[in-house]
Amino acid sequence: KAGVTQTPRYLIKTRGQQVTLSCSPISGHRSVSWYQQTPGQGLQFLFEYFSETQRNKGNFPGRFSGRQFSNSRSEMNVSTLELGDSALYLCASSFRGTGDEQFFGPGTRLTVL
Amino acid sequence: QQQVKQSPQSLIVQKGGISIINCAYENTAFDYFPWYQQFPGKGPALLIAIRPDVSEKKEGRFTISFNKSAKQFSLHIMDSQPGDSATYFCAASSAGNQFYFGTGTSLTVIP
Repeated sequence: KAGVTQTPRYLIKTRGQQVTLSCSPISGHRSVSWYQQTPGQGLQFLFEYFSETQRNKGNFPGRFSGRQFSNSRSEMNVSTLELGDSALYLCASSFRGTGDEQFFGPGTRLTVL
Repeated sequence: QQQVKQSPQSLIVQKGGISIINCAYENTAFDYFPWYQQFPGKGPALLIAIRPDVSEKKEGRFTISFNKSAKQFSLHIMDSQPGDSATYFCAASSAGNQFYFGTGTSLTVIP
């Protein structure tokens, strides 16, 4: 069974630009969660989508948004990029969502210059 | 308020030794406690997980000990190997709620 895939793997943007990251979950999984990982803050929860609906949301500004499609693939968008948005963005999929086994993708490394 | 507190931040163990990482949680509603292992440049990988109806779970060299009354759980790595050198994260969750992660422990196993 294929694992969670994320594209692109690496991304370099400049301040003020916007970016869209993509995540394809494990086949059959309906929940996709997004996390931001930085050396100082660790793994910070962004949001979770389940069957195309946002079910949980972390404490991030409105510049961070996401969506999920009917095939469970998910996208995350960050608008008006700031230097502090440089991080590894991870998505994780699970069958039932929170409280269930969660499997991570390799992440997208975003660098904002 | 940090929902899950993890210690130590870093750990150095000799090959063959026992590595112990501890986590404490606040919310008594949590009912799923996984541990993740992360190598540089990779996403976290699920290592082992426990639910509060048991006090211990063992998978190979990895054991989770769970103390519900103390709201603590720990990861024990027996016979630690250099290949175990990685960052380990504990987490806690409950159905319908987000995962909360510890801040991570960087483990180095010296040959």
